[in-house]
Amino acid sequence: NAGVTQTPKFQVLKTGQSMTLQCAQDMNHEYMSWYRQDPGMGLRLIHYSVGAGITDQGEVPNGYNVSRSTTEDFPLRLLSAAPSQTSVYFCASTKGLANTGELFFGEGSRLTVL
Amino acid sequence: AQKITQTQPGMFVQEKEAVTLDCTYDTSDPSYGLFWYKQPSSGEMIFLIYQGSYDQQNATEGRYSLNFQKARKSANLVISASQLGDSAMYFCAMRERDTGTASKLTFGTGTRLQVTL
Repeated sequence: NAGVTQTPKFQVLKTGQSMTLQCAQDMNHEYMSWYRQDPGMGLRLIHYSVGAGITDQGEVPNGYNVSRSTTEDFPLRLLSAAPSQTSVYFCASTKGLANTGELFFGEGSRLTVL
Repeated sequence: AQKITQTQPGMFVQEKEAVTLDCTYDTSDPSYGLFWYKQPSSGEMIFLIYQGSYDQQNATEGRYSLNFQKARKSANLVISASQLGDSAMYFCAMRERDTGTASKLTFGTGTRLQVTL
């Protein structure tokens, strides 16, 4: 079972460059989200989606764009990379509030901005 | 606003002993869910256990149990019979039970657990 797949796993960018972190899930989950993990700060929500065509901002959305054209895919775009965006990025999905409704996470994408 | 506090940056426990990882939370929503995730050194996030705010009994999953004290707003994770493979970072997280925010979790800063021989 693939679950949540993120690509790339590692990326190095120069300041000002743009890139897209890809996220795909094969569990038919309506709800998806992007988090970033920085040392000593836990995971913080960047953007989330409650279904195809619907996205909203989380706690730290500045510098990032998202779109949700299909249920399966939820890409995260860095418009003009800055060193402050050096982080580990996690994509997650859930089917909702049924039972535990836990989030399933991808393996993470480590981004370094020089 | 939701907030999760984990006051133990690091913990040590001997193999086969039990350990409690602390988590306190703050929310004005009467309906919420609490989660614990494990992050080993390889980096993936592994779901361990869930407690709903209206659940009458403390959640248990194998060697993991959640000591839920609603009045104190605490949701401590208890790991019994620790194993070397339990060495990892552990995150407490909370979600308000609104269908519009099913994928919105607020995380604590984590506790790094080291299991020793």
